[in-house]
Amino acid sequence: DGGITQSPKYLFRKEGQNVTLSCEQNLNHDAMYWYRQDPGQGLRLIYYSQIVNDFQKGDIAEGYSVSREKKESFPLTVTSAQKNPTAFYLCASSIDGTGIYEQYFGPGTRLTVT
Amino acid sequence: GQSLEQPSEVTAVEGAIVQINCTYQTSGFYGLSWYQQHDGGAPTFLSYNALDGLEETGRFSSFLSRSDSYGYLLLQELQMKDSASYFCAVRGSNDYKLSFGAGTTVTVRA
Repeated sequence: DGGITQSPKYLFRKEGQNVTLSCEQNLNHDAMYWYRQDPGQGLRLIYYSQIVNDFQKGDIAEGYSVSREKKESFPLTVTSAQKNPTAFYLCASSIDGTGIYEQYFGPGTRLTVT
Repeated sequence: GQSLEQPSEVTAVEGAIVQINCTYQTSGFYGLSWYQQHDGGAPTFLSYNALDGLEETGRFSSFLSRSDSYGYLLLQELQMKDSASYFCAVRGSNDYKLSFGAGTTVTVRA
């Protein structure tokens, strides 16, 4: 069964701690994305990667970091520099990075920082 | 950059038709997409329009007018399971990013 997995579904952290969110896909997609969603709002792009070992900042990259060492994996680290990290984080992938093809989303990780 | 506007909420009864409008401003334009998201779930792709006109997929249709920077999603024969948030998204031609609207929450009443 092909798809995108994100773990964990719920994550709780104390302020000042870095936390890494996992995203894995077995769809053989080249492009992967991280979005943040706040209550009642749309999706805002944090980082995206069109190919292994390459990634670009999205609209709200400050306080986040990513890596893309393998095609299947695109982990997101929420650092202590991110001022309001509590949110719903969604990972997505698409066949390529042209934006033409649909994006497939994982189930999301709900991060709560207190 | 890109900006998109869509209504925040729509309520309708089962069996009705709902139209969700989306107007956009982009630096270049490549296509308009629509996604559905049930509460707490992952967004799922509904449709993509790159050219003017109507695309029909079952009970859902999507329309695009490039000259008006406008599109809409039409939900027909509404069912309770259609209660969800619907997002329009555009890809400008100057980068490879999708920009999403704030979403329209559709509530279907019995």
